[in-house]
Amino acid sequence: DAKTTQPPSMDCAEGRAANLPCNHSTISGNEYVYWYRQIHSQGPQYIIHGLKNNETNEMASLIITEDRKSSTLILPHATLRDTAVYYCIVRGFTGNQFYFGTGTSLTVIP
Amino acid sequence: GAVVSQHPSRVICKSGTSVKIECRSLDFQATTMFWYRQFPKKSLMLMATSNEGSKATYEQGVEKDKFLINHASLTLSTLTVTSAHPEDSSFYICSASRRTGGITDTQYFGPGTRLTVL
Repeated sequence: DAKTTQPPSMDCAEGRAANLPCNHSTISGNEYVYWYRQIHSQGPQYIIHGLKNNETNEMASLIITEDRKSSTLILPHATLRDTAVYYCIVRGFTGNQFYFGTGTSLTVIP
Repeated sequence: GAVVSQHPSRVICKSGTSVKIECRSLDFQATTMFWYRQFPKKSLMLMATSNEGSKATYEQGVEKDKFLINHASLTLSTLTVTSAHPEDSSFYICSASRRTGGITDTQYFGPGTRLTVL
């Protein structure tokens, strides 16, 4: 599975959009991009995933570049409860396994 | 939907004893379950992949005789830490994956089990 690179930490003002980047330059054509978040001492929570089209659900939007080498998770109106570590994971077509990177620690500031 | 539970949420045991952790998918059938461990301020590390009715596949460096995994049904997998030692103290998290009929299997994670070995 492709390796992902994320900034270790980010801050965002409450009510503003949080844009979390992820680089996956070695991604192959059949690999999906998944985003999860982990609030302290809890299990990871699924947010969204996509292949090549942009995706949106009730939690977030996922923007994938045309060459698929990077993506951005957007939390449109960040709240204090969005403070967490956000993981970007690339998963292959045939393999079920998720290999977590170091993620981005997002702090939403009042 | 897609709720995964773990039991117990927290366990403290003496060195040398064995500890069993249960992972259940509450509202779906999990064709595959996964076990992870997480040390403080570190990321999740995949330990093993468990398919119902077959032997688990362990990641490199994970001792299969130390961490026994059983996936007896489509809703239950167990991880037994045998002869636990203080270095086994960690946060253990399971996840369950269901086949939706499509080509992707989203993993849903349990809340984790905090193991402390004295």
